[in-house]
Amino acid sequence: AQSVTQPDIHITVSEGASLELRCNYSYGATPYLFWYVQSPGQGLQLLLKYFSGDTLVQGIKGFEAEFKRSQSSFNLRKPSVHWSDAAEYFCAVGALMFSGGYNKLIFGAGTRLAVHP
Amino acid sequence: DVKVTQSSRYLVKRTGEKVFLECVQDMDHENMFWYRQDPGLGLRLIYFSYDVKMKEKGDIPEGYSVSREKKERFSLILESASTNQTSMYLCASSPRVEQFFGPGTRLTVL
Repeated sequence: AQSVTQPDIHITVSEGASLELRCNYSYGATPYLFWYVQSPGQGLQLLLKYFSGDTLVQGIKGFEAEFKRSQSSFNLRKPSVHWSDAAEYFCAVGALMFSGGYNKLIFGAGTRLAVHP
Repeated sequence: DVKVTQSSRYLVKRTGEKVFLECVQDMDHENMFWYRQDPGLGLRLIYFSYDVKMKEKGDIPEGYSVSREKKERFSLILESASTNQTSMYLCASSPRVEQFFGPGTRLTVL
């Protein structure tokens, strides 16, 4: 069965420090992979996505993620964190629903990021 | 920009009440979704729709129903609200794979 694991429930970093949020997935075929961010009381905003091609993808707000097929991972990185990055981050994999090509998303449980000044 | 709106940001209802949550998207997307979000559980799919009047159960459909009479509108219905349906409800729309989310409705059932 398809699944997404985000091993870290909470992460705290200092402002200006680098960040890596981990995501591992289980999916039989080549996955569609996503990272979303959710600020308190808000909906989810798409940070970046991987469909195919270059395994290092750039997103909004200075984030990037690297797809590593051998490790079934899609970790999110940012070289220098800003206080406004404090939020909850969700990794998701697109799973084929049926032969019509419809896809749903399976989400990890999320990682809550706190940023110290 | 894609815009997905939800009828209420906060809602308080009593046990046994019928509750309607409305979602509207303005990008002519075929697919629409309802999720609930609970701490530590991530997002769980309740129902989705891939066309007008079409609906499919997600992972946790029990206690919920949906309606899609027009392409832009997808409604989630709690026929008889219960306290275990207190949650954040998120609507999303999608042209094919990536999904665009509304701001969410935080529902409290007393």
